[in-house]
Amino acid sequence: AQKITQTQPGMFVQEKEAVTLDCTYDTSDPSYGLFWYKQPSSGEMIFLIYQGSYDQQNATEGRYSLNFQKARKSANLVISASQLGDSAMYFCAMGARAGGTSYGKLTFGQGTILTVHP
Amino acid sequence: KAGVTQTPRYLIKTRGQQVTLSCSPISGHRSVSWYQQTPGQGLQFLFEYFSETQRNKGNFPGRFSGRQFSNSRSEMNVSTLELGDSALYLCASSLTGQTAYEQYFGPGTRLTVT
Repeated sequence: AQKITQTQPGMFVQEKEAVTLDCTYDTSDPSYGLFWYKQPSSGEMIFLIYQGSYDQQNATEGRYSLNFQKARKSANLVISASQLGDSAMYFCAMGARAGGTSYGKLTFGQGTILTVHP
Repeated sequence: KAGVTQTPRYLIKTRGQQVTLSCSPISGHRSVSWYQQTPGQGLQFLFEYFSETQRNKGNFPGRFSGRQFSNSRSEMNVSTLELGDSALYLCASSLTGQTAYEQYFGPGTRLTVT
């Protein structure tokens, strides 16, 4: 079974500052993927970044980077230079490849509400 | 390229009724997954369909069922609705293959059971 834990129900950050959202996971799968999604108040889920369990480098996508520490089973999201539009709910998720082809089933954490202050 | 579409966007049903929700994946995506989102339970996986076959199933009662058509469009059905089924139902599609990873989500169907 897979489990994702996000211990920060809410986080506040000043515009233009960096913020780290915590995520720890537990799984018995040898190969897995870690994901971060953003959900604004409109409800849509927006994919931000992905890290494969065997990837040597930490993933980066623009202002988003994933601090992957496999031994600690953590996959924290770092947002640099926060913008007002970053205010949203952020979910950490993980999955194992279904049939070796795709991540069909994701397990999500409870989410962290990020508020960016001007 | 068009995104994942879900219909209807909003739905109000009465306890005991049944409901069918529809999801059209991104063109070329053959995997479709369904999730239920509630304030209390968060995001929970319902099931995944790939090539018209259910490949994964979450821990939901048999009242929740789904299917996938040959064009990859998917439907989920909930029979004998209960008040606790009120939720945002999200559909996601993804490519398959070793280099594929992210799921693309639709806008969701907000179901209210009264």
